[in-house]
Amino acid sequence: DGGITQSPKYLFRKEGQNVTLSCEQNLNHDAMYWYRQDPGQGLRLIYYSQIVNDFQKGDIAEGYSVSREKKESFPLTVTSAQKNPTAFYLCASARPADNSPLHFGNGTRLTVT
Amino acid sequence: RKEVEQDPGPFNVPEGATVAFNCTYSNSASQSFFWYRQDCRKEPKLLMSVYSSGNEDGRFTAQLNRASQYISLLIRDSKLSDSATYLCVVSSNNFNKFYFGSGTKLNVKP
Repeated sequence: DGGITQSPKYLFRKEGQNVTLSCEQNLNHDAMYWYRQDPGQGLRLIYYSQIVNDFQKGDIAEGYSVSREKKESFPLTVTSAQKNPTAFYLCASARPADNSPLHFGNGTRLTVT
Repeated sequence: RKEVEQDPGPFNVPEGATVAFNCTYSNSASQSFFWYRQDCRKEPKLLMSVYSSGNEDGRFTAQLNRASQYISLLIRDSKLSDSATYLCVVSSNNFNKFYFGSGTKLNVKP
């Protein structure tokens, strides 16, 4: 079955450490996205990528970095510069050209202490 | 002003009730509209796309009003399993971005 896989499901890190969240999709979607969700709040866009080797900042990109070396993969690095990294991180993909909806992975819950 | 706004609720309704949610969006050039359902501590899942002519899927009906820039979701004969947060999502006019409302929480009580 096609889908989006995020790993790990839960991640614990000490403050000051960089951490990379994995996102892989086999839906053959061109566009991929990273969102952050805090308790009781909506999703906020961190970064998105429309094609391989290209990506754009979203609304809250500071303290994060991404790469898009392959169509299937869009890893997100949470750097030590991110002030409040503890959150639920969601990766998604879509085929924007044909009005299709977003498909989500099952998320990574990051806790930084 | 937020791109997409929703009443956060919660809406507390008895089983069997009909409940409606509205969502307003600010960009008149928005192209695509969706309702997602999100259960606690889970990822959002597509409930239905919203088409200009309105569309229905079982107990769920979605409508789009471009003139007033809002979309709605009607749930008939509510079930306990309908308890969740419902997210309104709007895509930009060039499909680059998707904007999310903060969600409307629904509690269906026995």
